[in-house]
Amino acid sequence: GDSVTQMEGPVTLSEEAFLTINCTYTATGYPSLFWYVQYPGEGLQLLLKATKADDKGSNKGFEATYRKETTSFHLEKGSVQVSDSAVYFCALPRGFQKLVFGTGTRLLVSP
Amino acid sequence: EAQVTQNPRYLITVTGKKLTVTCSQNMNHEYMSWYRQDPGLGLRQIYYSMNVEVTDKGDVPEGYKVSRKEKRNFPLILESPSPNQTSLYFCASSSLLGVATDTQYFGPGTRLTVL
Repeated sequence: GDSVTQMEGPVTLSEEAFLTINCTYTATGYPSLFWYVQYPGEGLQLLLKATKADDKGSNKGFEATYRKETTSFHLEKGSVQVSDSAVYFCALPRGFQKLVFGTGTRLLVSP
Repeated sequence: EAQVTQNPRYLITVTGKKLTVTCSQNMNHEYMSWYRQDPGLGLRQIYYSMNVEVTDKGDVPEGYKVSRKEKRNFPLILESPSPNQTSLYFCASSSLLGVATDTQYFGPGTRLTVL
């Protein structure tokens, strides 16, 4: 069935470092792909999305490109900040309105 | 402000004592759902509702009930909680109309501990 695989965390970086969080998916067809972010003590927020192959989603300095050849949707940011510390979830829709989530990757950014 | 609210945010209870976690959204969304989040498992859907009086099971419905008597509210009911229902619960909503139907809005979460 449809599934999402994310890299294990935590990812620990210093401020201004480059970030990559890997996400690969298994799905029938070419569904939309999402990255959600969960800040400490809060619910999930949509960070970015891509609706078709080769699309690039971007928001708040984060980017992810929908690559059908490698079935990947890796999240990147050129220069992380302490405020980016959070848990990041890759997700895809399965069925009607339901989201399938990866296990989440915790990012810790130190000053 | 558009939001999904949940209450309580934290709850410690004992095995077998019925409880209800409330969820309310102010965006007039048709679709609402409940997820539970467990370490190493990500989020898994418990139940969902496409509109008033229309509910259906998600991936892990055992031990839970829901109701949708009003469009804005979607309570999660645990009639006889057990320790394996200790988890972090999220309510989510989305519109079934317009262009942003794939965007789901999440509540802040309810951390439940069943002793």
